[in-house]
Amino acid sequence: DAGVIQSPRHEVTEMGQEVTLRCKPISGHNSLFWYRQTMMRGLELLIYFNNNVPIDDSGMPEDRFSAKMPNASFSTLKIQPSEPRDSAVYFCASSPQAVSGELFFGEGSRLTVL
Amino acid sequence: QQQVKQSPQSLIVQKGGISIINCAYENTAFDYFPWYQQFPGKGPALLIAIRPDVSEKKEGRFTISFNKSAKQFSLHIMDSQPGDSATYFCAASPNNAGNMLTFGGGTRLMVKP
Repeated sequence: DAGVIQSPRHEVTEMGQEVTLRCKPISGHNSLFWYRQTMMRGLELLIYFNNNVPIDDSGMPEDRFSAKMPNASFSTLKIQPSEPRDSAVYFCASSPQAVSGELFFGEGSRLTVL
Repeated sequence: QQQVKQSPQSLIVQKGGISIINCAYENTAFDYFPWYQQFPGKGPALLIAIRPDVSEKKEGRFTISFNKSAKQFSLHIMDSQPGDSATYFCAASPNNAGNMLTFGGGTRLMVKP
């Protein structure tokens, strides 16, 4: 079975450019999460969707970040404009609704903003 | 506010030894405590999990010990192997929100042959 699929795996861009990260969750999973991982701050939850609806976006750093989930099989995380401090690995994870705690993570998108 | 504190940040163990990683939490509403394992270039994956109605859970060489009164839990890896070398994250989630995890800072484990 296919796991969570993220693209691109690596992205290098210049400060001020728009970045779009993509995620395809596991089929049948109702919950989708975006996490950011850095050495300094570890794994931070950015936003959480349930049945395609954003439930908690309190972790989104600022207005430069936005996330959408137009359907059950696709989500995007957009950064506009990007800044060097946004450099991190961004993970998407999905979870079956109402099942306790197991998140299935993708392999991540490593973003470098120069 | 860091709600789940994990230690140590890094750990080196000889093959066959016991690896111990500790976590402490503050939020008394937490009632689900998983551990995730992450290999370089991969996303974290669930290793083992416990709920506070038991004090210990064992799966193979991996054991979680849980102390509700102290608000602490730990991961023990018995007979540590080089293949166990990875980063380990503890996590916690509150009542009725099992997948809203707060992660600890991570422990990088190296098992020397």
